[in-house]
Amino acid sequence: GAVVSQHPSWVICKSGTSVKIECRSLDFQATTMFWYRQFPKQSLMLMATSNEGSKATYEQGVEKDKFLINHASLTLSTLTVTSAHPEDSSFYICSAREDRGGSGANVLTFGAGSRLTVL
Amino acid sequence: AQSVTQPDIHITVSEGASLELRCNYSYGATPYLFWYVQSPGQGLQLLLKYFSGDTLVQGIKGFEAEFKRSQSSFNLRKPSVHWSDAAEYFCAVGARQAGTALIFGKGTTLSVSS
Repeated sequence: GAVVSQHPSWVICKSGTSVKIECRSLDFQATTMFWYRQFPKQSLMLMATSNEGSKATYEQGVEKDKFLINHASLTLSTLTVTSAHPEDSSFYICSAREDRGGSGANVLTFGAGSRLTVL
Repeated sequence: AQSVTQPDIHITVSEGASLELRCNYSYGATPYLFWYVQSPGQGLQLLLKYFSGDTLVQGIKGFEAEFKRSQSSFNLRKPSVHWSDAAEYFCAVGARQAGTALIFGKGTTLSVSS
């Protein structure tokens, strides 16, 4: 089945530094990927929709200059948390939709998540 | 407004007992409906989904869910819970239009007692 890989799964960084998280679709192409953020004991909040070859679409309240998204190929989207601060500490999960038609067209596969801790 | 409500924040069930997790949705169009399970520190695993047809859908690990349009509900059930089922369960709704994100409920934490 479809597999989405996220890297790194854990990252600790100092305040003020930038961190890049990769999301790869391993065995399928994904024109569209989604980035979610999950606080402890909370639900998944959609941050942005990542589209291959074009700018990401950010949800209201998400700082596009803080959370840079690049979808450079059909199998890779990256989320860069710039000038990270402790309040950016969270669990970041990406998901990808396989590029195919039919009733399964909107089935998303989720990555295992990346836990960011900013000291 | 599009939303998903999971009324129960935390449920404790005895091992071997039956389980029902509630999910209600508000959506402008006919939705796709999903249940995901998340173990601590892990990503999401799809349990089952409803697109159309039979309103009772079977999923993995012995789970099933029933879509009730009149009640805007998609409750998850399992006849006999195992200790390994303890996890966080999320109900989600999405558009039939491809390329749209899912909207998640706040989740229900399931604890299983022996």
